[in-house]
Amino acid sequence: DSGVTQTPKHLITATGQRVTLRCSPRSGDLSVYWYQQSLDQGLQFLIQYYNGEERAKGNILERFSAQQFPDLHSELNLSSLELGDSALYFCASSPRSVGGYGYTFGSGTRLTVV
Amino acid sequence: AQSVTQLGSHVSVSEGALVLLRCNYSSSVPPYLFWYVQYPNQGLQLLLKYTTGATLVKGINGFEAEFKKSETSFHLTKPSAHMSDAAEYFCAVTNSGYALNFGKGTSLLVTP
Repeated sequence: DSGVTQTPKHLITATGQRVTLRCSPRSGDLSVYWYQQSLDQGLQFLIQYYNGEERAKGNILERFSAQQFPDLHSELNLSSLELGDSALYFCASSPRSVGGYGYTFGSGTRLTVV
Repeated sequence: AQSVTQLGSHVSVSEGALVLLRCNYSSSVPPYLFWYVQYPNQGLQLLLKYTTGATLVKGINGFEAEFKKSETSFHLTKPSAHMSDAAEYFCAVTNSGYALNFGKGTSLLVTP
């Protein structure tokens, strides 16, 4: 157990739908990062939150959004889902910015859009 | 922007043989470099990291990597492969402090 908790582990939904993925960071970590992993794109950075504030954006689609709550858990919202959104979505956390710490990853949410 | 290139999407070694996974980085400022391992249906686990100081970095499970600035490389090695080392390995770089940029990954196959 890495200490980063992601729910649900698996999600199957239809095109056009909206889903919410949840992440609880490791105790004491203030930064949360979301990544998408697919066979063709590899690991793509989506977005980072630090202590409730958006800190950095990567290749995140406009249909996707995220937030970090006062208790530091984070949610990634995916809307108007397309088949191509099927992927593994990882959450990671670090004490502050990643710097020399590296990340601690959760076990991921596997999203299948049918 | 910083990036990494992992040479070889698949590497196959015999059990007991040397493991060498290659990573080259691009960065305009001194980088922080990382190697992660991903086992099937699991998240990524940190193997080792280079921040500053000693250029030869030792990690978990007998792995080590050497930061070579002149070659912009951070290759991962292990003297003797075990069957349990079969996994996907990712090299990553950051210098902004905001996010890690990952390579495409190298799948390591260990044969008996």
